[in-house]
Amino acid sequence: DGGITQSPKYLFRKEGQNVTLSCEQNLNHDAMYWYRQDPGQGLRLIYYSQIVNDFQKGDIAEGYSVSREKKESFPLTVTSAQKNPTAFYLCASTLRPGDSEAFFGQGTRLTVV
Amino acid sequence: RKEVEQDPGPFNVPEGATVAFNCTYSNSASQSFFWYRQDCRKEPKLLMSVYSSGNEDGRFTAQLNRASQYISLLIRDSKLSDSATYLCVVNMMNYGGSQGNLIFGKGTKLSVKP
Repeated sequence: DGGITQSPKYLFRKEGQNVTLSCEQNLNHDAMYWYRQDPGQGLRLIYYSQIVNDFQKGDIAEGYSVSREKKESFPLTVTSAQKNPTAFYLCASTLRPGDSEAFFGQGTRLTVV
Repeated sequence: RKEVEQDPGPFNVPEGATVAFNCTYSNSASQSFFWYRQDCRKEPKLLMSVYSSGNEDGRFTAQLNRASQYISLLIRDSKLSDSATYLCVVNMMNYGGSQGNLIFGKGTKLSVKP
Protein backbone atom coordinates (compact mmCIF):
# COMPACT_ATOMS: atom_id res chain seq x y z
CA ASP A 1 0.00 0.00 0.00
CA GLY A 2 1.21 3.51 -0.76
CA GLY A 3 1.74 5.91 2.06
CA ILE A 4 4.05 8.05 4.10
CA THR A 5 5.99 6.62 6.99
CA GLN A 6 7.66 8.39 9.85
CA SER A 7 10.01 6.83 12.32
CA PRO A 8 10.47 6.51 15.16
CA LYS A 9 7.07 7.12 16.73
CA TYR A 10 8.62 8.20 20.01
CA LEU A 11 12.09 9.66 20.46
CA PHE A 12 13.95 10.79 23.52
CA ARG A 13 16.94 13.06 23.24
CA LYS A 14 19.42 14.38 25.71
CA GLU A 15 20.11 18.07 25.68
CA GLY A 16 22.93 18.95 23.33
CA GLN A 17 22.38 16.02 21.00
CA ASN A 18 21.37 16.10 17.37
CA VAL A 19 18.66 13.67 16.30
CA THR A 20 17.28 12.80 12.88
CA LEU A 21 13.65 12.02 12.17
CA SER A 22 12.90 9.84 9.19
CA CYS A 23 10.18 10.44 6.61
CA GLU A 24 9.67 8.17 3.60
CA GLN A 25 6.89 8.17 1.02
CA ASN A 26 6.12 5.78 -1.82
CA LEU A 27 3.36 7.89 -3.33
CA ASN A 28 5.63 9.42 -6.00
CA HIS A 29 4.81 12.84 -4.60
CA ASP A 30 6.95 15.79 -5.61
CA ALA A 31 6.51 17.94 -2.51
CA MET A 32 7.28 17.09 1.10
CA TYR A 33 6.88 19.09 4.26
CA TRP A 34 7.89 19.07 7.91
CA TYR A 35 5.63 20.59 10.55
CA ARG A 36 5.88 21.01 14.26
CA GLN A 37 2.85 20.93 16.54
CA ASP A 38 2.89 22.01 20.17
CA PRO A 39 0.04 21.23 22.61
CA GLY A 40 -3.04 23.29 21.80
CA GLN A 41 -1.33 24.85 18.81
CA GLY A 42 -1.65 24.56 15.08
CA LEU A 43 0.92 23.15 12.68
CA ARG A 44 3.92 25.34 12.03
CA LEU A 45 6.02 24.79 8.93
CA ILE A 46 9.68 24.02 9.50
CA TYR A 47 10.95 23.17 5.99
CA TYR A 48 9.46 22.13 2.70
CA SER A 49 10.77 20.69 -0.53
CA GLN A 50 9.12 21.04 -3.93
CA ILE A 51 11.57 18.83 -5.79
CA VAL A 52 14.59 16.63 -5.26
CA ASN A 53 17.76 18.48 -4.22
CA ASP A 54 15.83 21.61 -3.34
CA PHE A 55 14.22 22.78 -0.11
CA GLN A 56 13.03 26.01 1.44
CA LYS A 57 12.83 27.31 4.99
CA GLY A 58 9.44 27.56 6.57
CA ASP A 59 8.37 29.78 9.42
CA ILE A 60 10.46 28.17 12.16
CA ALA A 61 13.55 26.70 10.47
CA GLU A 62 16.09 27.82 13.06
CA GLY A 63 17.73 24.86 14.77
CA TYR A 64 16.61 22.40 12.11
CA SER A 65 18.13 21.04 8.92
CA VAL A 66 16.84 18.85 6.09
CA SER A 67 17.99 17.13 2.94
CA ARG A 68 16.18 15.86 -0.16
CA GLU A 69 18.62 13.61 -1.95
CA LYS A 70 15.89 11.23 -3.07
CA LYS A 71 12.31 11.89 -4.05
CA GLU A 72 11.05 9.39 -1.48
CA SER A 73 12.96 10.68 1.51
CA PHE A 74 12.97 13.94 3.47
CA PRO A 75 14.76 13.50 6.81
CA LEU A 76 14.69 16.23 9.44
CA THR A 77 17.59 16.82 11.83
CA VAL A 78 16.84 18.57 15.09
CA THR A 79 20.12 20.14 16.13
CA SER A 80 21.35 21.21 19.52
CA ALA A 81 20.71 24.79 18.41
CA GLN A 82 16.96 24.21 18.68
CA LYS A 83 16.23 25.54 22.13
CA ASN A 84 12.85 23.96 22.71
CA PRO A 85 12.66 20.80 20.61
CA THR A 86 10.06 18.86 22.60
CA ALA A 87 7.05 18.64 20.27
CA PHE A 88 5.04 16.48 17.89
CA TYR A 89 6.66 16.44 14.44
CA LEU A 90 4.60 15.70 11.35
CA CYS A 91 5.84 14.97 7.87
CA ALA A 92 3.52 15.41 4.89
CA SER A 93 3.62 15.08 1.13
CA THR A 94 1.56 16.34 -1.79
CA LEU A 95 1.53 15.19 -5.39
CA ARG A 96 2.35 18.68 -6.59
CA PRO A 97 3.25 21.77 -4.59
CA GLY A 98 0.30 23.89 -5.58
CA ASP A 99 -2.94 22.01 -5.53
CA SER A 100 -3.58 18.69 -3.86
CA GLU A 101 -4.40 16.77 -0.75
CA ALA A 102 -1.66 16.39 1.85
CA PHE A 103 -0.90 12.96 3.20
CA PHE A 104 0.60 12.84 6.66
CA GLY A 105 2.78 10.37 8.43
CA GLN A 106 1.76 9.23 11.89
CA GLY A 107 4.13 11.69 13.51
CA THR A 108 7.14 11.52 15.80
CA ARG A 109 6.83 12.65 19.37
CA LEU A 110 10.21 14.04 20.44
CA THR A 111 11.01 14.60 24.10
CA VAL A 112 14.17 16.16 25.44
CA VAL A 113 15.27 14.62 28.73
CA ARG B 1 -3.26 39.60 10.24
CA LYS B 2 -2.49 35.90 10.44
CA GLU B 3 -2.59 33.97 7.20
CA VAL B 4 -5.30 31.56 8.27
CA GLU B 5 -7.55 32.27 11.23
CA GLN B 6 -10.21 30.06 12.74
CA ASP B 7 -12.90 30.42 15.36
CA PRO B 8 -11.47 29.93 18.80
CA GLY B 9 -12.72 26.75 20.47
CA PRO B 10 -13.66 24.61 22.12
CA PHE B 11 -17.16 23.98 20.85
CA ASN B 12 -19.13 21.79 23.24
CA VAL B 13 -22.37 20.59 21.68
CA PRO B 14 -24.95 17.87 22.38
CA GLU B 15 -25.45 14.95 20.04
CA GLY B 16 -27.68 15.86 17.16
CA ALA B 17 -26.73 19.53 17.16
CA THR B 18 -25.68 21.49 14.11
CA VAL B 19 -22.33 23.25 14.45
CA ALA B 20 -20.52 25.63 12.13
CA PHE B 21 -16.83 26.47 11.92
CA ASN B 22 -15.47 29.53 10.20
CA CYS B 23 -12.10 30.33 8.73
CA THR B 24 -10.63 33.42 7.07
CA TYR B 25 -7.48 33.65 5.00
CA SER B 26 -5.39 36.68 4.20
CA ASN B 27 -3.76 35.87 0.85
CA SER B 28 -6.08 36.46 -2.07
CA ALA B 29 -3.73 34.42 -4.29
CA SER B 30 -4.68 31.26 -2.42
CA GLN B 31 -5.55 28.47 -4.78
CA SER B 32 -7.14 25.61 -2.93
CA PHE B 33 -8.81 25.01 0.38
CA PHE B 34 -9.42 22.06 2.65
CA TRP B 35 -10.82 21.00 5.97
CA TYR B 36 -8.79 18.45 7.89
CA ARG B 37 -9.72 16.51 10.98
CA GLN B 38 -7.21 15.72 13.69
CA ASP B 39 -7.93 13.30 16.52
CA CYS B 40 -6.06 13.65 19.78
CA ARG B 41 -2.36 12.78 19.39
CA LYS B 42 -2.86 11.64 15.80
CA GLU B 43 -1.96 13.01 12.40
CA PRO B 44 -4.37 15.26 10.49
CA LYS B 45 -6.47 13.62 7.81
CA LEU B 46 -8.34 15.21 4.96
CA LEU B 47 -12.03 15.65 5.70
CA MET B 48 -13.02 17.43 2.53
CA SER B 49 -11.85 19.84 -0.10
CA VAL B 50 -13.68 23.13 -0.46
CA TYR B 51 -14.91 24.20 -3.89
CA SER B 52 -16.14 27.58 -5.03
CA SER B 53 -19.59 26.20 -5.69
CA GLY B 54 -19.79 24.65 -2.23
CA ASN B 55 -19.82 20.94 -1.62
CA GLU B 56 -21.55 18.45 0.61
CA ASP B 57 -20.53 15.06 1.88
CA GLY B 58 -23.21 13.45 3.98
CA ARG B 59 -23.63 15.51 7.14
CA PHE B 60 -20.78 17.84 6.21
CA THR B 61 -21.08 20.94 4.04
CA ALA B 62 -18.17 23.18 3.07
CA GLN B 63 -18.46 26.61 1.51
CA LEU B 64 -15.98 29.09 0.06
CA ASN B 65 -16.46 32.82 -0.41
CA ARG B 66 -13.48 34.13 -2.38
CA ALA B 67 -14.65 37.74 -2.26
CA SER B 68 -14.68 37.70 1.53
CA GLN B 69 -11.79 35.23 1.79
CA TYR B 70 -13.88 33.05 4.03
CA ILE B 71 -14.39 29.29 4.38
CA SER B 72 -16.94 27.46 6.44
CA LEU B 73 -17.72 23.93 7.57
CA LEU B 74 -21.16 22.89 8.72
CA ILE B 75 -21.77 19.63 10.56
CA ARG B 76 -25.36 18.51 10.89
CA ASP B 77 -26.71 15.91 13.33
CA SER B 78 -23.46 15.77 15.31
CA LYS B 79 -22.25 12.37 16.46
CA LEU B 80 -20.01 11.51 19.39
CA SER B 81 -17.44 10.35 16.84
CA ASP B 82 -17.26 13.87 15.37
CA SER B 83 -15.32 14.98 18.44
CA ALA B 84 -11.95 16.13 17.14
CA THR B 85 -10.05 19.23 16.13
CA TYR B 86 -10.94 20.65 12.74
CA LEU B 87 -8.19 22.40 10.81
CA CYS B 88 -8.72 24.89 8.04
CA VAL B 89 -5.98 24.56 5.41
CA VAL B 90 -5.13 26.85 2.55
CA ASN B 91 -2.75 26.01 -0.27
CA MET B 92 -1.03 29.20 -1.36
CA MET B 93 0.89 29.61 -4.57
CA ASN B 94 3.72 32.09 -4.86
CA TYR B 95 3.12 34.69 -7.49
CA GLY B 96 5.46 32.92 -9.90
CA GLY B 97 3.12 29.96 -9.77
CA SER B 98 5.98 27.56 -9.35
CA GLN B 99 5.77 26.90 -5.66
CA GLY B 100 3.03 26.18 -3.22
CA ASN B 101 2.69 25.90 0.48
CA LEU B 102 0.11 24.50 2.87
CA ILE B 103 -0.91 26.93 5.57
CA PHE B 104 -2.81 25.52 8.54
CA GLY B 105 -5.12 27.28 10.91
CA LYS B 106 -4.71 26.51 14.61
CA GLY B 107 -7.81 24.38 14.57
CA THR B 108 -11.10 24.41 16.38
CA LYS B 109 -11.79 21.71 18.92
CA LEU B 110 -15.20 20.10 18.84
CA SER B 111 -16.55 18.04 21.69
CA VAL B 112 -19.88 16.30 21.15
CA LYS B 113 -21.57 15.18 24.36
CA PRO B 114 -24.26 12.52 24.86
